[in-house]
Amino acid sequence: AQTIHQWPVAEIKAVGSPLSLGCTIKGKSSPNLYWYWQATGGTLQQLFYSITVGQVESVVQLNLSASRPKDDQFILSTEKLLLSHSGFYLCAWSQGYSDYTFGSGTRLLVI
Amino acid sequence: QQNVQQSPESLIVPEGARTSLNCTFSDSASQYFWWYRQHSGKAPKALMSIFSNGEKEEGRFTIHLNKASLHFSLHIRDSQPSDSALYLCAVSLNTGYQNFYFGKGTSLTVIP
Repeated sequence: AQTIHQWPVAEIKAVGSPLSLGCTIKGKSSPNLYWYWQATGGTLQQLFYSITVGQVESVVQLNLSASRPKDDQFILSTEKLLLSHSGFYLCAWSQGYSDYTFGSGTRLLVI
Repeated sequence: QQNVQQSPESLIVPEGARTSLNCTFSDSASQYFWWYRQHSGKAPKALMSIFSNGEKEEGRFTIHLNKASLHFSLHIRDSQPSDSALYLCAVSLNTGYQNFYFGKGTSLTVIP
């Protein structure tokens, strides 16, 4: 069975501090991977997608970056957090034209 | 850029009612249409999908698609308190990978 694990579950970080969020998918070979962000009361916004290892496409510029160092791993990061980065970050995978399977998410509060 | 709009923003219905949720999209080349359900504080989960014009029923849920009208909908028969959640519609183009555009969601509350 496929599993998707996101870490950490929640973070409280100071403005200007660095951030790294992770996502691991097990049981699927070469999945398409996605990072989404949902502000409180806001729309699910796609941030990045990756079709293959080492290749990441940016969808929205939010002073964030993403990397896919391994087939089953997707990392979201920034060197300097902004207040506007607060929200719910979701990693998801799909294959072909299947639905997305989302991870359980990371809730981030920037203060 | 795909524009996906949902209506209504929120809905409160009594248990047992029939509930209708609407989604409009802007790109006529859209190919794949999904409904997701997100309980408070949780990740969205796929509920059901439709890929061609018409209707599809799964249990108490029916999805209806009219591509010419750029509209699809979700109908819930015999609504239950456990159906209370945020319902998100998602639309995808045939871009070679699944690239969903999500609506902002309809918050459904079913009162016992």
